Amino acid sequence: NAGVTQTPKFQVLKTGQSMTLQCAQDMNHEYMSWYRQDPGMGLRLIHYSVGAGITDQGEVPNGYNVSRSTTEDFPLRLLSAAPSQTSVYFCASKSQGTNTGELFFGEGSRLTVL
Amino acid sequence: AQSVAQPEDQVNVAEGNPLTVKCTYSVSGNPYLFWYVQYPNRGLQFLLKYITGDNLVKGSYGFEAEFNKSQTSFHLKKPSALVSDSALYFCAVSGDYKLSFGAGTTVTVRA
Repeated sequence: NAGVTQTPKFQVLKTGQSMTLQCAQDMNHEYMSWYRQDPGMGLRLIHYSVGAGITDQGEVPNGYNVSRSTTEDFPLRLLSAAPSQTSVYFCASKSQGTNTGELFFGEGSRLTVL
Repeated sequence: AQSVAQPEDQVNVAEGNPLTVKCTYSVSGNPYLFWYVQYPNRGLQFLLKYITGDNLVKGSYGFEAEFNKSQTSFHLKKPSALVSDSALYFCAVSGDYKLSFGAGTTVTVRA
């Protein structure tokens, strides 16, 4: 059981470039989310989805887009990369969009924007 | 709005000694509280959660946490720390379909 799979693990971009971070889960989870982790700031929610076709903004959504066409996949798009988006990105999922379930995390994608 | 605070950036203990990582929370409504651990260059792993019921919650790897409603705290504890417990620990509170994390506490257990 692979769980939550993120690709790529590492990426270097130039300012202004666009890219997509991929996230796939094989646990049939309805809820998926993207976080960014920065030193001293914990994890901050970027976007989340409670099911296919439904997405919503989190705490820091600016500069990012998401879509949820299938239950399994939840890609995160950087429209025009900026140095402030240098971070480690985590995708996470759980079985339902309730407040009581625990999240399952991917291994992370480290992004550097020059 | 919901939030958690982890007042200590770092906690250092000797192997075999008790380990405590502090967390306080702020939330309207029922508090759903979680602890996660992150080992170097890895994703976060779930340790335990408080939803309702007994104030002492037991979790993975011998960890437990005590929920205190009057002090709005949810401290993580382990009676006897191991060197392998050295990691980054996050407290989190869940509400409105979102999980909000604290800044994290780095735990170092010395042999």
